[in-house]
Amino acid sequence: GNSVTQMEGPVTLSEEAFLTINCTYTATGYPSLFWYVQYPGEGLQLLLKATKADDKGSNKGFEATYRKETTSFHLEKGSVQVSDSAVYFCALDDFGNEKLTFGTGTRLTIIP
Amino acid sequence: DTGVSQNPRHKITKRGQNVTFRCDPISEHNRLYWYRQTLGQGPEFLTYFQNEAQLEKSRLLSDRFSAERPKGSFSTLEIQRTEQGDSAMYLCASSLAVAETQYFGPGTRLLVL
Repeated sequence: GNSVTQMEGPVTLSEEAFLTINCTYTATGYPSLFWYVQYPGEGLQLLLKATKADDKGSNKGFEATYRKETTSFHLEKGSVQVSDSAVYFCALDDFGNEKLTFGTGTRLTIIP
Repeated sequence: DTGVSQNPRHKITKRGQNVTFRCDPISEHNRLYWYRQTLGQGPEFLTYFQNEAQLEKSRLLSDRFSAERPKGSFSTLEIQRTEQGDSAMYLCASSLAVAETQYFGPGTRLLVL
């Protein structure tokens, strides 16, 4: 079956630090990969996605590259801000399965 | 542009009671999904609809759970004879079509006492 393994949190960084949140996956087919973010008190929001190998998704300074050879989709940002404090979820959508499979989430806290 | 809305946002009930949640998807989105998220975990798929047809149900969805989307617009999720283990955040998402991005609502947080 499909599964997503995420870097365990919580993660605490200082403002302007470099961020990496690791995500690896197992899928039976050719999945699309996603990062969703959940800000305090809000619902899940799509942050970025990639639909095929070597694609790079990017948004709000965040990037993730679909690496089929390592089955990974690590989230990176060069300089984090306090406003990036949230829970980040890696997910996959295996075409034909019609549902998202999520990782357990990584809580990120940025301190000024 | 209105997003996915869910009501109520919070529900506290006693064990054994029935509860019903409502989800209004983004207009013209014909796919609607329900997920459940427990504390410290990622969302888990429960069921989804293509218009009014329920196409898949997770084995997480016991016989006490039922979901409907009678006119292909809003959806309801009912839990009968609630148990403390049903305490969770219930999330609804919608998408325009198959393989399109799913957009999530704010969720309904259920607490069963």
